[in-house]
Amino acid sequence: DAGVIQSPRHEVTEMGQEVTLRCKPISGHNSLFWYRQTMMRGLELLIYFNNNVPIDDSGMPEDRFSAKMPNASFSTLKIQPSEPRDSAVYFCASSLRMPNSPLHFGNGTRLTVT
Amino acid sequence: GQQVMQIPQYQHVQEGEDFTTYCNSSTTLSNIQWYKQRPGGHPVFLIQLVKSGEVKKQKRLTFQFGEAKKNSSLHITATQTTDVGTYFCAGQNDYKLSFGAGTTVTVRA
Repeated sequence: DAGVIQSPRHEVTEMGQEVTLRCKPISGHNSLFWYRQTMMRGLELLIYFNNNVPIDDSGMPEDRFSAKMPNASFSTLKIQPSEPRDSAVYFCASSLRMPNSPLHFGNGTRLTVT
Repeated sequence: GQQVMQIPQYQHVQEGEDFTTYCNSSTTLSNIQWYKQRPGGHPVFLIQLVKSGEVKKQKRLTFQFGEAKKNSSLHITATQTTDVGTYFCAGQNDYKLSFGAGTTVTVRA
């Protein structure tokens, strides 16, 4: 089991640029989550997919953020245009089923927007 | 909405001592999960508590779920340097898992 795979591990970009973060969940998991972690706000849920369908995107900060899950093995989180306040660690996590299953987190993408 | 409060935010512990971190929810939870994040790492699942009053142990770690299913605690005995990291509780209702702010533990050898 390779675990949840995220890419890139680090991303440094300039304000105004588009950023795409990628995630491959654990095979067989039907729930996928995107979280953002900062010192000030901790771990925030951005969006939750169940069986590739977005169920709750109320945590997405604003229209600059979008997420897709075209199939069971791939998801993207896109920020366009990026701003310095988007700098954070973005985690993808998958779960076998919800509720009552633990989340398996990827290693995260550390995003720095200058 | 659901909020999960966790205290203390920081815990500086002498190696060999015990400590406890506490978690409180504003709403009744279906379950509570605990995670550990090492510096520079990602949250790793430790345990899940489902039943009212449940107590589970993992070696030196003891986890409790309150009778009202609104609070939880993690107690670590005889702290070791390997216990360094941030411990998060996460309260669940339906699919939504709300994380506390975490307790960051440092250990003095």
